Amino acid sequence: DTGVSQDPRHKITKRGQNVTFRCDPISEHNRLYWYRQTLGQGPEFLTYFQNEAQLEKSRLLSDRFSAERPKGSFSTLEIQRTEQGDSAMYLCASSSPGRETQYFGPGTRLLVL
Amino acid sequence: SQQGEEDPQALSIQEGENATMNCSYKTSINNLQWYRQNSGRGLVHLILIRSNEREKHSGRLRVTLDTSKKSSSLLITASRAADTASYFCATDSHGAFGKGTLLTVNP
Repeated sequence: DTGVSQDPRHKITKRGQNVTFRCDPISEHNRLYWYRQTLGQGPEFLTYFQNEAQLEKSRLLSDRFSAERPKGSFSTLEIQRTEQGDSAMYLCASSSPGRETQYFGPGTRLLVL
Repeated sequence: SQQGEEDPQALSIQEGENATMNCSYKTSINNLQWYRQNSGRGLVHLILIRSNEREKHSGRLRVTLDTSKKSSSLLITASRAADTASYFCATDSHGAFGKGTLLTVNP
């Protein structure tokens, strides 16, 4: 069990560019979650997958955001045409079948200039 | 929108003292979880309490849940400097986290 990993850990981009983040969950965890966290706030739910199916998306997930989990293993979160307001920590978590406990990755810190 | 709301926003105590933080939520839940976040280790799950439980213990942690008041409390006994972190409550499987309580334990 190597834990949830995220890549990259840090990303600096210019406004208008596209960025993609990757999350590798704990193996055999069928649920995968994406959150966004800004300074002084708790994590805000973005979306979650059960296996390869995206089951829920938050209203925070505008049409510039897209997430995939094509084979039910790793997931990617893409932000198109980034805006300065997208600057945040993007957290990924996973959980095992039938269990509510989420295991979080270290996050990807995004800075949009 | 955020479901859980922690209180106080910040708490500063001396090592060895007990720390109590509270969480209120708005809608019916199946379970409530407490997490800790510090800069070194990210967000870590501490304890889960189900809606049919009133109290749960794990080491130096004690969690209570009052579904009639839609509130929960987290008690950390005999605090240590290493307990310095932000503590969040979250409801159900992918809810909603509050803004957290920033706990500082002074050596």
